[in-house]
Amino acid sequence: DIVMTQTPLSLSVTPGQPASISCKSSQSLLYSDGKTYLNWYLQKPGQPPQLLIYEVSNRFSGVPDRFSGSGSGTDFTLKISRAEAEDVGVYYCMQSKQLPPYTFGPGTQVDIK
Amino acid sequence: QVRLQESGPGLVKPSETLSLTCTVSGDSVSTFYWQWIRQPPGKGLEWIGYIYNSGSTNYNASLKSRVTISVDTSKDQFSLKLSSVTAADTAVYYCARGRGFEFWGQGTLVTVSS
Repeated sequence: DIVMTQTPLSLSVTPGQPASISCKSSQSLLYSDGKTYLNWYLQKPGQPPQLLIYEVSNRFSGVPDRFSGSGSGTDFTLKISRAEAEDVGVYYCMQSKQLPPYTFGPGTQVDIK
Repeated sequence: QVRLQESGPGLVKPSETLSLTCTVSGDSVSTFYWQWIRQPPGKGLEWIGYIYNSGSTNYNASLKSRVTISVDTSKDQFSLKLSSVTAADTAVYYCARGRGFEFWGQGTLVTVSS
């Protein structure tokens, strides 16, 4: 199985300031079709996870443009350009290159100061 | 807009079978991938399995011997059965649509206890 790790595991951000979360995979997530299967999700308190970014850098429908994803191979980053109070929650990266199983990172808890 | 809603017993006894249904509205279960994911209280996400093409399935190897996912296209529902449950199976169970989990249900807490 591909193992996903995230750093940091917790993060406190000042409103209006940037934030960054790193995700690393134990194997390259580049598939033979040329796509890299790394997604990012945000789980707000008491809610199910919601898709933010798919295939490394594509924002899902309705996701604010302050969220961006980057990376390649085994190293990936989610950035929030200007954090807002509604961005509080746990952020997960997930790989879907090698199935089964889909594997998630442990999550990064983001709080707003 | 597609909506998913999990339903089923909130309490299951050890060694029994957990059964949940996900009802889909705004879409057809004959298309897309339909997924089950779970989250133990205070912990991270674990993928359980998916069904697609009205019958093809793929399961997490760690649960494969106990899991069955099926679909009822006439009702636009898909279901999860997990047999021989233990306390370790206590979790919020989510259903979701798509290979990228684009849409999720609200989740349902299932507690395994006598």
